[in-house]
Amino acid sequence: AQKVTQAQTEISVVEKEDVTLDCVYETRDTTYYLFWYKQPPSGELVFLIRRNSFDEQNEISGRYSWNFQKSTSSFNFTITASQVVDSAVYFCALSEFLDAGNMLTFGGGTRLMVKP
Amino acid sequence: AAGVIQSPRHLIKEKRETATLKCYPIPRHDTVYWYQQGPGQDPQFLISFYEKMQSDKGSIPDRFSAQQFSDYHSELNMSSLELGDSALYFCASSFIAGGKSDTQYFGPGTRLTVL
Repeated sequence: AQKVTQAQTEISVVEKEDVTLDCVYETRDTTYYLFWYKQPPSGELVFLIRRNSFDEQNEISGRYSWNFQKSTSSFNFTITASQVVDSAVYFCALSEFLDAGNMLTFGGGTRLMVKP
Repeated sequence: AAGVIQSPRHLIKEKRETATLKCYPIPRHDTVYWYQQGPGQDPQFLISFYEKMQSDKGSIPDRFSAQQFSDYHSELNMSSLELGDSALYFCASSFIAGGKSDTQYFGPGTRLTVL
């Protein structure tokens, strides 16, 4: 069975602060995908990043960076110089690598509030 | 770029009524997924279809059924609605390359309210 845990239910920061969202996962699969999605107050789910289990290279995209550590089963997400527009619920998710139509298993989400 | 289209965006029903939600995947995407998100909760997987065949099944109630049509759009049919069915229903689509699951892109969701 797969499980994703986001221990931080809510984080509040002041604009321009850096913030890291934690994600820990459990799976018996040797190959899998990890994802981060953003859900702003408007409600849609926006894809941010996908990481394959065999690729542990960290990734940076603008103010966003992701740290994947297979040894600790973690896939953490850092926002540098946070902005008010970053306020949203962020979900970490896991899926099997093979087979069509595999479900996403989501963590409970972390609500990030960025204050001006 | 074209996104996943869901209709209707909002739906209000009475208890014991039926509802049909529609999903139009991103062009050339062959796989559709349905998720249910209750207030303050994470999305829960209901069911998926690949090339019009059911692919994976999650915690979908027996009162719900779904299918994918020849043009790849999908419909989620919900009968005997209960108050607890009130939620945001997401459809997602992906393109399965080489038999390997790919990134799921989500539609804007249908907010169902059961009174």
